[in-house]
Amino acid sequence: RKEVEQDPGPFNVPEGATVAFNCTYSNSASQSFFWYRQDCRKEPKLLMSVYSSGNEDGRFTAQLNRASQYISLLIRDSKLSDSATYLCVAAYYNQGGKLIFGQGTELSVKP
Amino acid sequence: EAGVAQSPRYKIIEKRQSVAFWCNPISGHATLYWYQQILGQGPKLLIQFQNNGVVDDSQLPKDRFSAERLKGVDSTLKIQPAKLEDSAVYLCASSYPLGASGGATGELFFGEGSRLTVL
Repeated sequence: RKEVEQDPGPFNVPEGATVAFNCTYSNSASQSFFWYRQDCRKEPKLLMSVYSSGNEDGRFTAQLNRASQYISLLIRDSKLSDSATYLCVAAYYNQGGKLIFGQGTELSVKP
Repeated sequence: EAGVAQSPRYKIIEKRQSVAFWCNPISGHATLYWYQQILGQGPKLLIQFQNNGVVDDSQLPKDRFSAERLKGVDSTLKIQPAKLEDSAVYLCASSYPLGASGGATGELFFGEGSRLTVL
C-alpha cells in the first residue's frame, strides 16, 4: 500500500465548477500535510498547508481528518489557470524532515 | 534570490551507460533532497541530506545509484549502469530543516529537474 494515496484522475471540469480532491495517508506518524501544485513539465510548488481546523486561501479550502487519516482540497469557481496536477504531501519532522508525495491528481478546466 | 539550480536539463543515454546530475541548492538551505518522478507519478524520494550527512536513502537503488554532498552545499546524483526504467525526471529540492523553529513551513524549493531518457 502506498504511503499517500490520491483520487485517480484526470478530473475534467468546466470553468466555474467546484472540484474536490481526496487523499489518504497510511502512516499515523505523519505530522503535517500539504498540497503542492505541478504544472505540465514544471517542478512542484507549494500550494497550501493543511491544518486540522481547516484552512482557506481564496478559492481553495483544505481539510484534515486525523482520525480517518484523510485530507481534502476543494477548489471553488475553477479557472482555466487551475489546470495542473495536485499533489498531496505528508511530512515527518524527525531528522530534518521528510516529505512523501502522493501520485497526483490531474485537473483540466475547460472553457 | 537565486533558486535551486540543476544540470543538465536533458540527457539521453543508452542503457548500461552512466550519467551524473548536479544540484546547487538555495543558499543557507541545510536540507537537500533528490526525487525521481516517472511520467504520470508523484515524486519519489531517493535520498535526503542534512548538511553533508545522509538522513534517508532507504529508496535509493544502491547497486546503481549514488549521491554525495561533500561540502554540505552542491550535490551530485549518479546512475551507473542505467536501465530503461530509470527514464524519469530527477528533481532536486532544498529547504531549511523542516520542523525547526523559525522554519518548518513544509515548503520545498525544487529545481527545474533533469529529464533522463534511457534508450
